[in-house]
Amino acid sequence: DQQVKQNSPSLSVQEGRISILNCDYTNSMFDYFLWYKKYPAEGPTFLISISSIKDKNEDGRFTVFLNKSAKHLSLHIVPSQPGDSAVYFCAASGGLNSGGSNYKLTFGKGTLLTVNP
Amino acid sequence: GAGVSQSPSNKVTEKGKDVELRCDPISGHTALYWYRQRLGQGLEFLIYFQGNSAPDKSGLPSDRFSAERTGESVSTLTIQRTQQEDSAVYLCASSLAHRRRELRETQYFGPGTRLLVL
Repeated sequence: DQQVKQNSPSLSVQEGRISILNCDYTNSMFDYFLWYKKYPAEGPTFLISISSIKDKNEDGRFTVFLNKSAKHLSLHIVPSQPGDSAVYFCAASGGLNSGGSNYKLTFGKGTLLTVNP
Repeated sequence: GAGVSQSPSNKVTEKGKDVELRCDPISGHTALYWYRQRLGQGLEFLIYFQGNSAPDKSGLPSDRFSAERTGESVSTLTIQRTQQEDSAVYLCASSLAHRRRELRETQYFGPGTRLLVL
């Protein structure tokens, strides 16, 4: 039973345009969400996070939006650059009410983003 | 500074053999995690070490899997009597751990060990 779902295995966008990566979750105990970026043969690299007390967090070209009622979050990259081409993982963790294991990340399957020059 | 390192980067083994995977966390990071990524899947949590506390082994898929950590440094993940379904990338991560439990620390990942069981 997948608790974090990334329903688009891949996404292709033109350089300079906006990339929107989506993620849905089912566990209402999740209260912290992260995006990781992964290049081939490397480990995932932290990109941006958001707490459930917020609905938006921005860091440069990257913005994460959280819709708690819909259990949905999205990552916007604008403008997209060819160097952004990578697999993007959505991850979530539970709060202290989830047995105190707020360190345990649950990941989606990832979305391969390709930014074409 | 140096990031998380893992060795070997690749391992091919025969079904039934034991394998040992190593992780060197970032210096000063008290928390260490092991994850597994099977082909086409997301990362699955395996085990968590934090200082001298008892590790959280809730993600280990079977008793063939075990892990140790010496103090706040190196960790080894051991898989005994490997099976073909153990083929995956095994990722190690480390983080600082705040005294306040509600704070979330960023997990920094190593490059992984690609294990292939024939």
